[in-house]
Order: sequence, then structure tokens, then C-alpha cells
Amino acid sequence: SAVISQKPSRDICQRGTSLTIQCQVDSQVTMMFWYRQQPGQSLTLIATANQGSEATYESGFVIDKFPISRPNLTFSTLTVSNMSPEDSSIYLCSVVKQGNTGELFFGEGSRLTVL
Amino acid sequence: RKEVEQDPGPFNVPEGATVAFNCTYSNSASQSFFWYRQDCRKEPKLLMSVYSSGNEDGRFTAQLNRASQYISLLIRDSKLSDSATYLCVVFRRNTNAGKSTFGDGTTLTVKP
Repeated sequence: SAVISQKPSRDICQRGTSLTIQCQVDSQVTMMFWYRQQPGQSLTLIATANQGSEATYESGFVIDKFPISRPNLTFSTLTVSNMSPEDSSIYLCSVVKQGNTGELFFGEGSRLTVL
Repeated sequence: RKEVEQDPGPFNVPEGATVAFNCTYSNSASQSFFWYRQDCRKEPKLLMSVYSSGNEDGRFTAQLNRASQYISLLIRDSKLSDSATYLCVVFRRNTNAGKSTFGDGTTLTVKP
């Protein structure tokens, strides 16, 4: 299994500001994923972050709103830009088990509240 | 139609009961299937993978029916600690990364 650390674990932000969430993995991984879980809902994939290339965004998510960095094989950041109350959510970093069988490991999540 | 659909629940059962959760998926190219457990305010954690031959882990049994595109999870002798949301997850490798799609989850509350 992989140990994934996210920070901040929670934050309360003002409308119009931006927040960067960090994700650190204890081993080198090729692919990292960023998910969003809105209140009372399931997980939705925002984007796949590959080291050395641009992130791949899912339908409904754009780079200007959710810029992602992936400077090396153990670290990634997700920025939530120009936040509105609709961005209040839990943001989860995830990696896939070696061999890419689809089994995922998650960070503890970053709970974001936008006022 | 959602790609992964689960029983909406919630399920409220007494301790010791047997409870079954159902899940269907729409994409026949899906390759791997999982049940995750998510406790309140926590991240999802893998409960078990699901195979066509069925697999059992203690009180938990998972089944996959590829022809019907149906997945199930059976919990026997429910414990209070089983109370959580159970997420059905379907994985499809259509690119190098592949994609996992989550169901909306089924909430289980086990009562004394």
C-alpha cells in the first residue's frame, strides 16, 4: 500500500480567493489522481496528473479553474482558483496500486469550505 | 443513465442481520470491480476486489456477473462497526491511466 499525505486537511476560504492543496506519496508513482467529493455525493474524478506532462482533465473540469502541478514522481498539487461556495467540497488525492489493476489508495482528503 | 448505479439506501439493520448491496454498471468494457468502504469524514478504503468466481473475506462476500453487468456485496452477521457508506467502483483502462468510476454509495447503519 501507499501512504499519502495531504495538506491542508481543512480550510475555510473567502469567495474569489485560490487555495493550493498538496499531496505527498511515500513512493514513486507514475499516475496521481485528483477527486472531488461534494457534500452527500460520491467521488468525481477531476484530472489525472502524470509526471512530465500536462494533466488530463475530465469533462466539466478545466485547467484554468483547477491547475495541477506534478514536479516529480512523489508530489502533486491541485489549486482551486477563484473559489465560489459551489467549490465547497472534499478534495482527494489518489494513486493506483502498482500494476494498475484499478485499486486506488487515497489521501485523507482536504475539506474546503468557501464562504 | 449513470455509468455505475447502486441501491440508494439507507439500510438500517439490527446487529447480526445479513444485508446485501447491489450495483450495476453500463460499460461492458469495464475490467476491474471493487467495493470500497467510506466512514464519515474519512477517505474511501478498499474493502475487497470483485471477481467473476466470487470472493469471500470473513463475513463479506462479493459477486460479479459480467453478463448482467451486476455486482453485489453481502455482509453476514452485521456488526456495529460495519456502519459506513459502501461504494461500488468500476475500473476501465481506456488509456494508459485508466479510469475508476464510483457509484453514489449505499449507507449502512447497524443498530444494537
